[in-house]
Amino acid sequence: GAVVSQHPSWVICKSGTSVKIECRSLDFQATTMFWYRQFPKQSLMLMATSNEGSKATYEQGVEKDKFLINHASLTLSTLTVTSAHPEDSSFYICSARDLGGTYNEQFFGPGTRLTVL
Amino acid sequence: GDSVTQMEGPVTLSEEAFLTINCTYTATGYPSLFWYVQYPGEGLQLLLKATKADDKGSNKGFEATYRKETTSFHLEKGSVQVSDSAVYFCALSDRTNSKLTFGKGITLSVRP
Repeated sequence: GAVVSQHPSWVICKSGTSVKIECRSLDFQATTMFWYRQFPKQSLMLMATSNEGSKATYEQGVEKDKFLINHASLTLSTLTVTSAHPEDSSFYICSARDLGGTYNEQFFGPGTRLTVL
Repeated sequence: GDSVTQMEGPVTLSEEAFLTINCTYTATGYPSLFWYVQYPGEGLQLLLKATKADDKGSNKGFEATYRKETTSFHLEKGSVQVSDSAVYFCALSDRTNSKLTFGKGITLSVRP
């Protein structure tokens, strides 16, 4: 089946530093990837839609200069949290859409736990 | 905007009990509806889906029927197993852009 990986699975960083999270589709090509944020006991909130070779589309209220998204290839999208602060601590999840499938289903990565000290 | 409301959790059941997890939605137009499951330490997986009114999605003994008149998509299973312990998310997708809107998720624990 379609597999999406994320790296790292968890990261702890100091306030003010930047953190990069990778999302890879392992066995299919994904022209579109999505980045979500999940707070404890809350739903997944879509942050942005990442399209290969073009600028990401951010949801209302998401700071694009803080959450930099790059989708340079059909199998890799990265999310960089710049100048991270404790309020950025969260669980970040990516998904990838397989346009080669019979339905535009999204396949999800296992998530990355970010803790900012 | 679109929204999905799930019943409050967590839910704890004994093995072989009947399961119902309620889900209602608000959306313009005719969305597609989904149930996703997240097992411990894993990513979300699609459990089942329905793309139009009165469709029934089913998988692994779970079922859900797209009820347009009540804007609901309740998840049911006749006999749960310990291996069904996971977090379940109801979601809808706007047909025009395929964005997913999720409910809060509910944790199901099944005890032997």
